[in-house]
Amino acid sequence: DAKTTQPPSMDCAEGRAANLPCNHSTISGNEYVYWYRQIHSQGPQYIIHGLKNNETNEMASLIITEDRKSSTLILPHATLRDTAVYYCIVRVHTGANSKLTFGKGITLSVRP
Amino acid sequence: DVKVTQSSRYLVKRTGEKVFLECVQDMDHENMFWYRQDPGLGLRLIYFSYDVKMKEKGDIPEGYSVSREKKERFSLILESASTNQTSMYLCASSTPDIAQPQHFGDGTRLSIL
Repeated sequence: DAKTTQPPSMDCAEGRAANLPCNHSTISGNEYVYWYRQIHSQGPQYIIHGLKNNETNEMASLIITEDRKSSTLILPHATLRDTAVYYCIVRVHTGANSKLTFGKGITLSVRP
Repeated sequence: DVKVTQSSRYLVKRTGEKVFLECVQDMDHENMFWYRQDPGLGLRLIYFSYDVKMKEKGDIPEGYSVSREKKERFSLILESASTNQTSMYLCASSTPDIAQPQHFGDGTRLSIL
């Protein structure tokens, strides 16, 4: 899987949008961008994923640049419960082994 | 919503014991996975299964085995527990389609004394 680069941490104010960046400059044409988050002592929670187009669901929006070398996860109205480690992952299907490779992620702290 | 349930949130065992970690999913997913998560090392794949009675080794299978007798259930077995197997263990399930996500359970924090 392609390598991703995320800053180690960021913070934002409650109620404001949180924009979490991710670089994946070596991404291939058939690799998806996935975002998960992990709140302390819980399992990773799926947020959103995309291939080329921007995506939106009830949790977040995913903006992928036209060259696909970077993306941004947007939490439109961050709450204290959004404080977590957020992982950006690029994923390619390699036969039956479709494991996820989690990096160190970015720690988002939402302040009151 | 997809539900992946791990049998225990916290477990304490002694070295040399045979330990069973159970995982059940309710979405009829073909694929199931066992990862362990350690500080500074991220998630590492231990074993995965893409069908009943089928299994493949992940990146760190040594000291572990798995069993998948029914589609919804995937068990991780520590044959003879050792202290270096103290970790957070995470189960996940998915369809074979990489355009669909893996869904995780809440994890089992296992301590081997």
